[in-house]
Amino acid sequence: AQSVTQPDIHITVSEGASLELRCNYSYGATPYLFWYVQSPGQGLQLLLKYFSGDTLVQGIKGFEAEFKRSQSSFNLRKPSVHWSDAAEYFCAVGYGGSQGNLIFGKGTKLSVKP
Amino acid sequence: ETGVTQTPRHLVMGMTNKKSLKCEQHLGHNAMYWYKQSAKKPLELMFVYSLEERVENNSVPSRFSPECPNSSHLFLHLHTLQPEDSALYLCASSQDLGRSLGYTEAFFGQGTRLTVV
Repeated sequence: AQSVTQPDIHITVSEGASLELRCNYSYGATPYLFWYVQSPGQGLQLLLKYFSGDTLVQGIKGFEAEFKRSQSSFNLRKPSVHWSDAAEYFCAVGYGGSQGNLIFGKGTKLSVKP
Repeated sequence: ETGVTQTPRHLVMGMTNKKSLKCEQHLGHNAMYWYKQSAKKPLELMFVYSLEERVENNSVPSRFSPECPNSSHLFLHLHTLQPEDSALYLCASSQDLGRSLGYTEAFFGQGTRLTVV
């Protein structure tokens, strides 16, 4: 069965430090991969997505993610975190033919220290 | 602002009440979705509508009843809910289901925080 694992429930980083949020997936075929961000009291906003092609994808707000098929991973990175990046981040895998068939991870909450 | 608006933002209801959640999008999208976000659980897809027809129902209890009167509006009718139904209910829309064009981006509303007492 398809699944998405975000092993870190909560991460705290200092402002200006680099960030990497982990995501591993289990899916038999080539996955469609997404990262979403959710600020408190808000809905989900798409940060970036991978469908095919270059395995390093750039997103909004200075985020990037790298698809590594051999590791079944799609980790999210940012070289320098800003206080406004504090939020919850969700990795998701799409399967079948429908955008609606997204499987989400449980999320990683990011806190940013001044 | 993503173009998907959900009302109300917060709702408290008793187990015997009937209420409805509303979602509206003016993005010209053809597909709309209801998701449930519970504490410490992954987002769960509840319903998918494409061109006003339901295309997926992920074993959701009948106390949740969706309605899609047109491509811009989606409702979730609630009746005789249980306390465990308390959650954030998110609506999303996308251009289409992505079956022929590959995946299209989903735009989420801000959600309705539902508390069942």
